[in-house]
Amino acid sequence: GAGVSQSPSNKVTEKGKDVELRCDPISGHTALYWYRQSLGQGLEFLIYFQGNSAPDKSGLPSDRFSAERTGGSVSTLTIQRTQQEDSAVYLCASSLRAGGLETQYFGPGTRLLVL
Amino acid sequence: GQSLEQPSEVTAVEGAIVQINCTYQTSGFYGLSWYQQHDGGAPTFLSYNALDGLEETGRFSSFLSRSDSYGYLLLQELQMKVSASYFCAPDRDDKIIFGKGTRLHILP
Repeated sequence: GAGVSQSPSNKVTEKGKDVELRCDPISGHTALYWYRQSLGQGLEFLIYFQGNSAPDKSGLPSDRFSAERTGGSVSTLTIQRTQQEDSAVYLCASSLRAGGLETQYFGPGTRLLVL
Repeated sequence: GQSLEQPSEVTAVEGAIVQINCTYQTSGFYGLSWYQQHDGGAPTFLSYNALDGLEETGRFSSFLSRSDSYGYLLLQELQMKVSASYFCAPDRDDKIIFGKGTRLHILP
């Protein structure tokens, strides 16, 4: 079946603009995660969803970042008034349920460049 | 508190064995996962240890000691294609914590 997909694959934007990143998880996966990865760095947890609820938003860097998930499926990560330090690869992952017993399947990521 | 440590880089020779260590400190620990990420690619799951001991999957083995808050990933018969970054990821409650990862360089 289809894996996790993300769009756009690449996004170049000007400082101060808003961007929306989309994630389509594997069908039937109830848990969805957003991570950020800067060049050569590890994965920085942003937020995760169990169904449409976000039990943990502790990783969102600032109030410019928000995310939602509808219908227990697609999720969008929105960054308002982008800054150059927001440039990174944004990775989405899904799993059948939340927790480490469940393998996370990652999408290819969205490479965001803020000029 | 919460902490996660693994070496930033490891270098080994093709055909050899290499061990990537991981120490962690986190509340509500359930188990330890390992993920592999090739340059430009997405992380992919390698193994998960819920219990103490060694789990073997082909050329990959992963070990966990809960009492020592320590685990390692063992790669045998190294091939150039396993040059990648490796992340240990302790599972805390409903969330997996990823660190900075270990970059594995393999020399011919």
